[in-house]
Amino acid sequence: EAGVTQFPSHSVIEKGQTVTLRCDPISGHDNLYWYRRVMGKEIKFLLHFVKESKQDESGMPNNRFLAERTGGTYSTLKVQPAELEDSGVYFCASSQHMVDTIYFGEGSWLTVV
Amino acid sequence: AQSVSQHNHHVILSEAASLELGCNYSYGGTVNLFWYVQYPGQHLQLLLKYFSGDPLVKGIKGFEAEFIKSKFSFNLRKPSVQWSDTAEYFCAVVGSSNTGKLIFGQGTTLQVKP
Repeated sequence: EAGVTQFPSHSVIEKGQTVTLRCDPISGHDNLYWYRRVMGKEIKFLLHFVKESKQDESGMPNNRFLAERTGGTYSTLKVQPAELEDSGVYFCASSQHMVDTIYFGEGSWLTVV
Repeated sequence: AQSVSQHNHHVILSEAASLELGCNYSYGGTVNLFWYVQYPGQHLQLLLKYFSGDPLVKGIKGFEAEFIKSKFSFNLRKPSVQWSDTAEYFCAVVGSSNTGKLIFGQGTTLQVKP
């Protein structure tokens, strides 16, 4: 069974540019999550989709971040325009049920210079 | 505020030494608890979880954790570590009535010397 896959694994962009991160959850998992780890800090929740609907987006830092999950399959997280403090590792995760084991992807490393 | 505190940021042990990583949480309600591990270059993997029942939970690779409700703790233990246990370990909590909004501790880096 394929795990949660994320693309790209690494991205270096200049301040002000746009980056789009993609996540493919485990097949059949309706719940999809985005988390972020900024250097030296703990992993923090960004948002949660149930199918294509945003269940909880309380962790999104500001309106430069836009997450979508069209069709309830893969998800994208766009950062526009990127700022230096956006650098970090963006984790995607999925689960079959809301209260269940959450499976993580390998993360997308974002460096904004 | 809800939070998770891991007592040690960096632990260095020799092979065969015993391991205990501390985790305390602050959460007003019933919780589900997790330990995740991230080996170098790999994704976060679930080591073990506690939802209910026996507070002593067995996980993969010989790890176990004990949920002590009165102390708001969920410490991770292993009787004898191996070099391959070198990794970063994360304690996480979620409200049992909540969605997948895991609250993570800061992580503990374990280095096992051969």
